[in-house]
Amino acid sequence: QSVLTQPPSASGTPGQRVTISCSGSSSNIGSNTVHWYQQLPGTAPKLLIYSNDQRPSGVPDRFSGSKSGTSASLAISGLQSEDEANYYCAAWDDTLSSPEFGGGTKLTVL
Amino acid sequence: EVKLVESGGGVVRPGGSLRLSCAASGFTFGDYAVGWVRQAPGKGLEWVCGISWNGRTIGYAGPVKGRFSISRDNANNSLHLQMESLRVEDTALYYCAKVDGELWGDEIDYWGQGTLVIVSS
Repeated sequence: QSVLTQPPSASGTPGQRVTISCSGSSSNIGSNTVHWYQQLPGTAPKLLIYSNDQRPSGVPDRFSGSKSGTSASLAISGLQSEDEANYYCAAWDDTLSSPEFGGGTKLTVL
Repeated sequence: EVKLVESGGGVVRPGGSLRLSCAASGFTFGDYAVGWVRQAPGKGLEWVCGISWNGRTIGYAGPVKGRFSISRDNANNSLHLQMESLRVEDTALYYCAKVDGELWGDEIDYWGQGTLVIVSS
């Protein structure tokens, strides 16, 4: 069981805004930064958001991240068909002394 | 262009051993932490182990501690994972990962394409 909890699935129609949540505790999200990864079907993961709300070069500003307390969220606005992927949150866990991933959320564009 | 190319995967019997390697290029390898992340078929991502830029700080996930050993060769821009006493549950695609920092707790900014390890009798 992951220490970071994500909904297993999410969906939206093209153009819509969707959010994916990531719930943790004081030992991970509550005291460390959160990162988000996108994994398109059949490919390696890609860094989407780092340090809670920072976008790497090349990531569209349709993607945004936020953190509050022991939870974090990934928001995707102007949903596109190519956004259909699995999304994972990650954060360092002080108790486990390791980086931890959420279980992943499969985003379906209807 | 940053490239991480894994090799060494294959089919092995339970209890067997395997050594994975990762050839890195396109960045100053010795300046960054690196590690391994695995993904079992149809499952999510699981951090396996990490090693700091100078090799002095190493960490392992609980399920592999005592069985896996990570090492790096900064002179040859390579990362290795020696896997012993393999179990069926170690079956996964193993990704080589570059961390954007000196320690392996920071974000992974580049991933390899993975090498598949299958543990089966």
